[in-house]
Amino acid sequence: NAGVTQTPKFRVLKTGQSMTLLCAQDMNHEYMYWYRQDPGMGLRLIHYSVGEGTTAKGEVPDGYNVSRLKKQNFLLGLESAAPSQTSVYFCASSYRRLQGAGYNEQFFGPGTRLTVL
Amino acid sequence: RKEVEQDPGPFNVPEGATVAFNCTYSNSASQSFFWYRQDCRKEPKLLMSVYSSGNEDGRFTAQLNRASQYISLLIRDSKLSDSATYLCVVHTGRRALTFGSGTRLQVQP
Repeated sequence: NAGVTQTPKFRVLKTGQSMTLLCAQDMNHEYMYWYRQDPGMGLRLIHYSVGEGTTAKGEVPDGYNVSRLKKQNFLLGLESAAPSQTSVYFCASSYRRLQGAGYNEQFFGPGTRLTVL
Repeated sequence: RKEVEQDPGPFNVPEGATVAFNCTYSNSASQSFFWYRQDCRKEPKLLMSVYSSGNEDGRFTAQLNRASQYISLLIRDSKLSDSATYLCVVHTGRRALTFGSGTRLQVQP
């Protein structure tokens, strides 16, 4: 049981280049999330998905796209990288929140450290 | 105003000390509250949920004050291994959680 995995772990891009970050989970979670973490800013939600084939915007979605073609995978794409996208990117997953129930724990991947020059 | 605010610290305490962190949230409709722990250059991990009546897990005690809109985390008998950043996390009823920027704790020998 690997939990949540992310690839790659590190990447350096030049401005204008594109790339895709892959997140995979083997816990059969319905919900998946992409966050970015910058110094002093905490984790900010980029996009999330509540099920296969569905995605939604979070707090800071501009410049990113996502896809959830399979339940276990959530991809984050940068079409034209900018230096402002230099950050640590975390993927997370959780079980579906039941009506009237509390929020479920999110399990995080180890992160991808991205530098855009 | 940030939705979730924390004192960034660092809190430097000796081993065995008791230390407390507070976190304030702005949305009075917030429903669920958590403390996550994040070690340096690692991913966040759930430390404990925070319940209305307060709850304890070993050396850790969490409290919720809805009237004043803050939650707290108390750590007793601090260990070197408690050194980390503690993230206050709030669910406001939307689909996702809101994270504070964290409070850094450094426990010294």
